Amino acid sequence: QTVVTQEPSFSVSPGGTVTLTCGLSSGSVSTTSYPSWYQQTPGQAPRTLIYSTNTRSSGVPDRFSGSILGNKAALTITGAQADDESDYYCVLYMGNGISVFGGGTRLTVL
Amino acid sequence: EVQLLESGGGLVQPGGSLRLSCAASGFTFNNYAMIWVRQAPGKGLEWVSGITGSGGGTYYADSVKGRLTTSRDNSKDTVFLQMNSLRAEDTAVYYCAKGIRDASKGGVDSWGQGTLVTVSS
Repeated sequence: QTVVTQEPSFSVSPGGTVTLTCGLSSGSVSTTSYPSWYQQTPGQAPRTLIYSTNTRSSGVPDRFSGSILGNKAALTITGAQADDESDYYCVLYMGNGISVFGGGTRLTVL
Repeated sequence: EVQLLESGGGLVQPGGSLRLSCAASGFTFNNYAMIWVRQAPGKGLEWVSGITGSGGGTYYADSVKGRLTTSRDNSKDTVFLQMNSLRAEDTAVYYCAKGIRDASKGGVDSWGQGTLVTVSS
């Protein structure tokens, strides 16, 4: 069974840039994987950041961007702020109507 | 403004059943797929099920196939998750979410606040 992989944790300095990735245990991510990205802080519902690889959801600032880098999907945060400290999840479409979440990346801003 | 309001969560014994509802507003309901996502305590998000805008297509994660059933009533702008043969590992907050298109792919753009399901004796 194919697993969606994410870095378990990452840290970034305030004002810095960080790129989180989302891959497959077997195979490459492409635009037909329809990668999407979600931000979640403890106790809160997730918030959609990016869908269909690089489309920002309504109200999401442009310092969040999505792309394909090599064989993975990527979420880049530029000018990191303290309130970007959250868990970030990606989702990939596997076909036949089914999608799978990655395990999530805990981002620390310090 | 899109609003999604889940209800129906609670405590249920192993082997029992529960039906979750998600009432939607603020968009043309039958034009969009609806997705169920869950999160076990202290764990990550898990995609559970998707249903197309018409309700003609339903899709399930292997972990719930045969036990959970998604349906929708487009006349009432509501999506349901019928949960049968519940197990302890089904304990989670269940979120409904609005798909970005009619088909069950491409992600979601709006989320409900979630409803907690606890399976325990």
